[in-house]
Amino acid sequence: SYVLTQPPSVSVAPGKTARITCGGSNIGSRSVHWYQQKPGQAPVLVIRYDSDRPSGVTERISGSNSVNTATLTITRVEAGDEADYYCQVWHNTGDGVFGGGTKLTVL
Amino acid sequence: QITLKESGPTLVKPTQTLTLTCTFSGFSLSTDGVGVGWIRQSPGKALEWLALIYWDDDKRYSPSLKSRLTIIKDTSINQVILEMTNMDPVDTATYFCAHRPNDGSSSPVFDSWGPGTLVTVSS
Repeated sequence: SYVLTQPPSVSVAPGKTARITCGGSNIGSRSVHWYQQKPGQAPVLVIRYDSDRPSGVTERISGSNSVNTATLTITRVEAGDEADYYCQVWHNTGDGVFGGGTKLTVL
Repeated sequence: QITLKESGPTLVKPTQTLTLTCTFSGFSLSTDGVGVGWIRQSPGKALEWLALIYWDDDKRYSPSLKSRLTIIKDTSINQVILEMTNMDPVDTATYFCAHRPNDGSSSPVFDSWGPGTLVTVSS
């Protein structure tokens, strides 16, 4: 089965830039989606198809995808960005795969 | 505005079958390309995709759980049902349903989610 690897945690000071990675074999050939999940809430889509930002998502959030790593970038980090972030792809067998999630802590 | 809501038992016993219902509004599951998926999350753990049903009744299942899952839709009343057999305590989780939009992609994304329902498996 296809595996997506995320760092368990990322810490960043307010106002700085956070980068959350999602590693997978040849992930650059797949479309990657990113979800933000705050405690006790359902996930919210923040990036679709590698780098497309849905309406209503802050411009401070962006995504990229290349070769074996996809990256979610959050600039000018705020306290409200503190959450768990999950990457997701679809395997060519038609199966959905989520990464293990990354907890973003704002120092 | 798209909304989804999960409903079902909060407690099931080991070996029982779990039946969850996703009731949605703001879209039709008869529209080309549209789908509804189920995802779960064990306490403190990551998201896990379970199943997805499309407007044309095409169904996809997680390979590791395929033998235990059944997903069906009732377009007339805007509901999708997920059945999971032979429940075990490790299946204790919050179960979410989510909307897959018609965006022409072969890589489904879930752009709207229900609030989730916690199911505990215990005798």
